[in-house]
Amino acid sequence: DAGVTQSPTHLIKTRGQQVTLRCSPKSGHDTVSWYQQALGQGPQFIFQYYEEEERQRGNFPDRFSGHQFPNYSSELNVNALLLGDSALYLCASSFPHRGGELFFGEGSRLTVL
Amino acid sequence: GESVGLHLPTLSVQEGDNSIINCAYSNSASDYFIWYKQESGKGPQFIIDIRSNMDKRQGQRVTVLLNKTVKHLSLQIAATQPGDSAVYFCAENRGDNYGQNFVFGPGTRLSVLP
Repeated sequence: DAGVTQSPTHLIKTRGQQVTLRCSPKSGHDTVSWYQQALGQGPQFIFQYYEEEERQRGNFPDRFSGHQFPNYSSELNVNALLLGDSALYLCASSFPHRGGELFFGEGSRLTVL
Repeated sequence: GESVGLHLPTLSVQEGDNSIINCAYSNSASDYFIWYKQESGKGPQFIIDIRSNMDKRQGQRVTVLLNKTVKHLSLQIAATQPGDSAVYFCAENRGDNYGQNFVFGPGTRLSVLP
C-alpha cells in the first residue's frame, strides 16, 4: 500500500521563477492538502482539494495555486518566487468522509536563491 | 488570534520513563485533533487522533487525553525509547463540512536520554 508520494524531493530556484510540485495521495484517499513548513516551525495550511476543486484555503497569496486531477493526484504551483518561499512543502491526503486521518508525504524541499 | 500551541518547546526524559507532551488550543468549535511525530528531514508521521466526543484514546504505547473544559490536549508516551526522539506536533481541524483545515502548533522536541 503506497503512502503519499511527492516529487521532486529537492529543488533550487531563483527569485521570480515559477515552480510546480507534485503529489500522489495514499491509496484509497480522494482529498489532497498542501502545507508549507518553514525551518523550525510547524506546517502551515495552504489549501485542500477534493473533487478537483479547492475546498479550503489558508492565508496564502494568489501566487500559490493548485490543481487536482481525476486520479486524485495534485500539483502545487508557486509563481514569482520570493526568498521567503524557501521551505519544505508537504502534501497530505485523507478520506474525510471516512475518518479523515491526514497522512503526509516526505515533502519537497524548495530553496529560493 | 486563535492558535494551537505547546507549553514546552523541549522535553528531555530518561529512557524507560513516561513522557507527557502538552498542547493548548483556543477554538472551542474544533472537533478533531491529531498528534504527529516528525523526525529530521522527514514528513510528519500520524501517531493518534481523537474527536471532541471523546476524552481519551489509547494506541500502542501512546494515549491522547482531551480536556474540552480547559481546551487542553496531551500525548502520553509509555516507556519512552530512543526511537521516540523527534519533534511532536498537535494539530487542530478548523475546517467545516466543506473541507479540512488543520492548524499546527510550533512543536515540542522530545529528547530521550540513555
